[in-house]
Amino acid sequence: DTAVSQTPKYLVTQMGNDKSIKCEQNLGHDTMYWYKQDSKKFLKIMFSYNNKELIINETVPNRFSPKSPDKAHLNLHINSLELGDSAVYFCASSADWEQFFGPGTRLTVL
Amino acid sequence: DQQVKQNSPSLSVQEGRISILNCDYTNSMFDYFLWYKKYPAEGPTFLISISSIKDKNEDGRFTVFLNKSAKHLSLHIVPSQPGDSAVYFCAASPWRTSGSRLTFGEGTQLTVNP
Repeated sequence: DTAVSQTPKYLVTQMGNDKSIKCEQNLGHDTMYWYKQDSKKFLKIMFSYNNKELIINETVPNRFSPKSPDKAHLNLHINSLELGDSAVYFCASSADWEQFFGPGTRLTVL
Repeated sequence: DQQVKQNSPSLSVQEGRISILNCDYTNSMFDYFLWYKKYPAEGPTFLISISSIKDKNEDGRFTVFLNKSAKHLSLHIVPSQPGDSAVYFCAASPWRTSGSRLTFGEGTQLTVNP
């Protein structure tokens, strides 16, 4: 009964590949987010969806595309992976100001 | 342009003593501040928050202080316990509502020694 879950937990892939990370929340929240934690440990917001609508879209390469099939899911698709995409990606959800985070997906691009 | 800064990457304290974690911000539009705690291989979990209309908020062993004129906040943990060993992130938002954009600091690794 995990509140915010992500799959996979680890993802190792070659440069140029396309990959997806899935996120699901069972908290009934309307808003979901994707964050990236880079090698310097900064957590930076990438996207935010409210009721399947995009509300925050930071300056992220358009190789990254979020998709929200319903308000419980927010998936992240990454095309043409680059070395610099290696990071930990966190999904989060919220009903109000408090954001609940998933366990993270460690992406390694070789 | 890092708007939220945690200048101490690490802090080590003895069990039972006070831990003080600091955070500075530059954006005067920030109105709401949060502390998150993160264990290895887990996502951050919410710890405590404070609105800009207050200067102190307390929850058990955790107290957050806000000095708005100095654009500085701190998290006090008293008494510190070994289970408190984790990375602590300070975060700020221009408003307190769902969908608000949280800006995080780079985190401080707290180690509490038995």
